[in-house]
Amino acid sequence: GNSVTQMEGPVTLSEEAFLTINCTYTATGYPSLFWYVQYPGEGLQLLLKATKADDKGSNKGFEATYRKETTSFHLEKGSVQVSDSAVYFCALSDHINFNKFYFGSGTKLNVKP
Amino acid sequence: DARVTQTPRHKVTEMGQEVTMRCQPILGHNTVFWYRQTMMQGLELLAYFRNRAPLDDSGMPKDRFSAEMPDATLATLKIQPSEPRDSAVYFCASGLVGGEQPQHFGDGTRLSIL
Repeated sequence: GNSVTQMEGPVTLSEEAFLTINCTYTATGYPSLFWYVQYPGEGLQLLLKATKADDKGSNKGFEATYRKETTSFHLEKGSVQVSDSAVYFCALSDHINFNKFYFGSGTKLNVKP
Repeated sequence: DARVTQTPRHKVTEMGQEVTMRCQPILGHNTVFWYRQTMMQGLELLAYFRNRAPLDDSGMPKDRFSAEMPDATLATLKIQPSEPRDSAVYFCASGLVGGEQPQHFGDGTRLSIL
């Protein structure tokens, strides 16, 4: 079956620190992979995506590379800001089952000034 | 930017009352999803639609929940009768058909059942 596993949080970093949030997946086919971000009181917003192996998604300084050999899609940012404090969700899309998404449990990031 | 619109944003009501949550998907999107988010369970898929037809509602308690799309611009999620354990944030998301297509989320309805 399909599933997504994320590292547990919260992750607490100082401003300008390097960020990695680990995400691994299991899938029966060749899914697309996504990272979403959720700020307090808001819905999930698409941060980046990758649709095939070795693709790199990037947005707002965040990056993630679709690694088929390790079934991973780790989120990275070189220098975090206080405004990056939020909950981050990794997700995969089941190409066969009409766009059904499988979300990880979310990782809360706290960035301190 | 086009957005998914959900109403109401907040709802507080007493146990046993009917609750209706509404969602206006992004114009042109042909898939609609309903999710429930709680601290304990995280994000759960309740139901989803493609071209207004329900494809899967296996995540929904059938005895009290119902989801419909009366037209392409409106999706509804109803709970009758409501129970305290239904308290959660309910999200609607819409998208286009295609495995590489992202889902676009509304800001949710925060539901409290007293």
